[in-house]
Order: sequence, then C-alpha cells, then structure tokens
Amino acid sequence: GDSVTQMEGPVTLSEEAFLTINCTYTATGYPSLFWYVQYPGEGLQLLLKATKADDKGSNKGFEATYRKETTSFHLEKGSVQVSDSAVYFCALLNFGNEKLTFGTGTRLTIIP
Amino acid sequence: DTEVTQTPKHLVMGMTNKKSLKCEQHMGHRAMYWYKQKAKKPPELMFVYSYEKLSINESVPSRFSPECPNSSLLNLHLHALQPEDSALYLCASSQAPGTGTNEQYFGPGTRLTVT
Repeated sequence: GDSVTQMEGPVTLSEEAFLTINCTYTATGYPSLFWYVQYPGEGLQLLLKATKADDKGSNKGFEATYRKETTSFHLEKGSVQVSDSAVYFCALLNFGNEKLTFGTGTRLTIIP
Repeated sequence: DTEVTQTPKHLVMGMTNKKSLKCEQHMGHRAMYWYKQKAKKPPELMFVYSYEKLSINESVPSRFSPECPNSSLLNLHLHALQPEDSALYLCASSQAPGTGTNEQYFGPGTRLTVT
C-alpha cells in the first residue's frame, strides 16, 4: 500500500537558518504530493502541492520538488522565521483514491 | 475562498450525552471528509462523502454517525462516547472526488473532550 516517511522530529533551528524536512514515499501509479502545516491549536493548512514528476510547489518561501527517481518531496525554506514554528505533514493522494496518506509529521521550532 | 468552517470550536460532553459536530463549505466541493486527530499524530480518516453519499467508512464505531444533508454541509452525530474518543475532529473538503489531483482543504477543527 501507499506510505509516506518523514524525518523524525522535533527540529529546532535558529531564526534565518536554512530548513530541510525530508519526505519520501512509496506508491503505485502517479500520486499527487502535498505539504500541510498545522499551527498550534489549529487545523491543517495546505502549504504546497505537486501533481507530477519534476513539478515544484512553492508558497510563503517554502519549496518542494517532486522527484520520481528518488521518490522524494523534501520541504525547503531558505530563511526560517519564528512564525514558521508548527507541525509539518507530508502527504500523498493516489489517482482515483479519496484517501490522503500522511507522514507522521515533523514538529519545527524556530528560536529567535 | 478556500474556507471550511466547523462548529463548535470546543465541546465537552459526558459519556451519556448526544451531541453533533457541524462542518460547512461554500467552495462547490463535492467530497467531504471527517478525520480524527490525537495529540502528536497525523489525522486519521473516519468517513468520506462523495456527491452526498457515504463512500468510505474506515470501520468507525457506530457511536459516530455521519450525515451529509446537502453538498455544503456535513455533520457528525456523537452518542455514548468513551473518554478515548477525546481528540481534535477535523472536517475537510475537495473538488471532484477520486481524481487524484484534488487537494483537501481542512477546517479549524472541533476539540472534543469526553468526561
């Protein structure tokens, strides 16, 4: 079945540091890939998405590239801010399915 | 507008109570979802409605009863819950179900505590 593996957290960085959160997936077919962010006490917000190989999703300074050859969708940001502190979930949706497959989530804390 | 609304924001109920959670979207989406999220875990899918019909029930206990009165509304009726049902309940919606490219938009959730 489909699965998503995220790097274990928590991750703590200083403000303005470079961020990478690793995500790899296993899926049949050609899934769409997503990053969701959950701020404390809130629901999930769609951060970015990519629907086919080599697509790059980007939003709010975050980027992720759909790499089919390495089955990866790593999240990156060049300079993090305290306001980026949240839990980040990588997820996939396979064509024809209605069920999102989530990774375990990575808690990110940015210190001033 | 990509907003999904949920009410109430917080709910405390006893094990003998009956309550309902409500979810609404006005994006013209035809798929709606209920998820349960425990602390420090990803959301777990409970139910999916496609075109107002129940398409997925992830073996959820019958004390949870979903209802989709129309394409914009989704309810979750709760009865005789257990303390372990305390969690954040999230609603989501997406466009045409099953296309594989449709992102799900989540509401802010209802924080449920069962006493």
